[in-house]
Amino acid sequence: KNQVEQSPQSLIILEGKNCTLQCNYTVSPFSNLRWYKQDTGRGPVSLTIMTFSENTKSNGRYTATLDADTKQSSLHITASQLSDSASYICVVSDRGSTLGRLYFGRGTQLTVWP
Amino acid sequence: EADIYQTPRYLVIGTGKKITLECSQTMGHDKMYWYQQDPGMELHLIHYSYGVNSTEKGDLSSESTVSRIRTEHFPLTLESARPSHTSQYLCASSERTSGSSDTQYFGPGTRLTVL
Repeated sequence: KNQVEQSPQSLIILEGKNCTLQCNYTVSPFSNLRWYKQDTGRGPVSLTIMTFSENTKSNGRYTATLDADTKQSSLHITASQLSDSASYICVVSDRGSTLGRLYFGRGTQLTVWP
Repeated sequence: EADIYQTPRYLVIGTGKKITLECSQTMGHDKMYWYQQDPGMELHLIHYSYGVNSTEKGDLSSESTVSRIRTEHFPLTLESARPSHTSQYLCASSERTSGSSDTQYFGPGTRLTVL
């Protein structure tokens, strides 16, 4: 069964600190992996996208890594800001259909305190 | 910022009412999607469309229906709302590229509460 598991479920850090969120998946055949940021009461917004051949991708203070062999990804946030408080969702796409079905994790709820 | 809009943002209605959730995008995307999301849970695909006059059911069974008469518009309708329909409904769209590399752009969502 294709699944996406994220950890931790929730995380509280102080402003300015770094943190790393984890994502493990069993989706096969694998096409790409995305990290989305979802603010409370809003729709998800794409942060990064990585294909099989990419190991790392950065977007400002966000850096995502991918190990396609172990089927693991991480999202590292550097020098956190209050505006980073949100749910971070790992989304894996398969290439087994023209739709490119997406498999969503439940997200990690990050809270940044001043 | 994605040009995809949903109305209403919040809706509280009584059981048995008919409702339509609106979704519009101005990006000219062929593919559109409806997801259902409960607090702390993953998004579940309930409907999608490849283009005008195309509608398909998603992974999660839903009593709602959709239509795609125009490229930019993908409304979702519940004929008779029940408390079990209480959830957040997210609309998304993407370009019709080959394979699965197209990024989905999400609307702000509609928070539906059925009393």
